[in-house]
Amino acid sequence: KNEVEQSPQNLTAQEGEFITINCSYSVGISALHWLQQHPGGGIVSLFMLSSGKKKHGRLIATINIQEKHSSLHITASHPRDSAVYICAASYGNKLVFGAGTILRVKS
Amino acid sequence: EAQVTQNPRYLITVTGKKLTVTCSQNMNHEYMSWYRQDPGLGLRQIYYSMNVEVTDKGDVPEGYKVSRKEKRNFPLILESPSPNQTSLYFCASRGWTGINYGYTFGSGTRLTVV
Repeated sequence: KNEVEQSPQNLTAQEGEFITINCSYSVGISALHWLQQHPGGGIVSLFMLSSGKKKHGRLIATINIQEKHSSLHITASHPRDSAVYICAASYGNKLVFGAGTILRVKS
Repeated sequence: EAQVTQNPRYLITVTGKKLTVTCSQNMNHEYMSWYRQDPGLGLRQIYYSMNVEVTDKGDVPEGYKVSRKEKRNFPLILESPSPNQTSLYFCASRGWTGINYGYTFGSGTRLTVV
């Protein structure tokens, strides 16, 4: 069964802290996605990775194909980063989602 | 602006009354898909479409129908809604957005079936 495991489930950080969210998946994925969902419910795609590392502003996403593991890092966290972060694996044309990480950044 | 438009945003209906949730994208993407999001179960794929007239089941297709007669539109049809289809629904397309390649999601449709 194609599964995606995400940790931690909940994360509270102080403003300015470095944050890491982890995601592991089964073999055979074509890509790994990181999504952000704000309290209003809308979903935004942050990264799509098939290898290596991508950076956008304070967000960095990495993937290790051999270990079947991806991480999302947020540097210098800010209260506006508070959201649910979801990893999702592309198994062919199907997308399988992790349970999400609820991040709260306190000022 | 590159976007996926879903309508309606909120819908309350009664059991058995057929409904359609519309989804439209303006990016000429070939791939479109539908998902539902439920507390404790997360996001799950309902159906996807690789192109016009090409659709396939996701993980939870029971009780849903889709059609893809035009590239830009991918409606989700509930022929006989039941209370267990009360959920938050998202449509998405996948492709080049002009900035990067990936998924673009609609704003969501909160459906309540009573």
